[in-house]
Amino acid sequence: QSVLTQPPSASGTPGQRVTLSCSGSSSSIGGNTVSWYQQLPGTAPKLLIYSNNQRPSGVPDRFSGSKSGTSASLAISGLQSEDEADYYCAAWDDSLNGYVVFGGGTKLTVL
Amino acid sequence: QITLKESGPTLVKPTQTLTLTCTFSGFSLTTTGVGVGWIRQPPGKALEWLALIFWDDDKRYSPSLKSRLTITKDTSKNQVVLTMTNMDPVDTATYFCAHKTTFSSASFDPWGQGTLVTVSS
Repeated sequence: QSVLTQPPSASGTPGQRVTLSCSGSSSSIGGNTVSWYQQLPGTAPKLLIYSNNQRPSGVPDRFSGSKSGTSASLAISGLQSEDEADYYCAAWDDSLNGYVVFGGGTKLTVL
Repeated sequence: QITLKESGPTLVKPTQTLTLTCTFSGFSLTTTGVGVGWIRQPPGKALEWLALIFWDDDKRYSPSLKSRLTITKDTSKNQVVLTMTNMDPVDTATYFCAHKTTFSSASFDPWGQGTLVTVSS
């Protein structure tokens, strides 16, 4: 069973641009779209990006996603204190009859 | 407006079977492309996807937990039920259900508030 690999932590200062990475395989990110989720402390995850780079209504355009090969990235520009949260990537994996795989999450700290 | 809410026991004993119900509103599980998934999160740890049921009753499970999981739907009640057998203390987690959007199979929006299940004797 594959997983998506994310760095456990990242940090930035207010106003800065930060980029979070997510690495997968040919059967996951390589062949399917990526979603990103934001989880604030004590709350349920919220969909931030779907289909690699699409934002649901209500998500600020400070958040952007991209995908290249078997990796994906989430960029946050104009970092704000309220962006301090855990961020997870997810994708469908075509192996083993198909399943959803999540990354281990990145805890973003706003310094 | 789509809403989902998980319900079930807060405490189960080791070896018991856990049954969780997701009651939803604002969408129909008969609509093409729609699904409901279950995801869990042990305290302080990462999200782990468990299972997904599609509008056409197609079902997919986490390969590592497949032998212990069953997901079913009752479209007349707008409910999805997840059962997990042979519970163990490592299964202690907050269990979320979520609406799978039509955009992709890994796109869940929104999520329920989650329900904490503790496995202990």
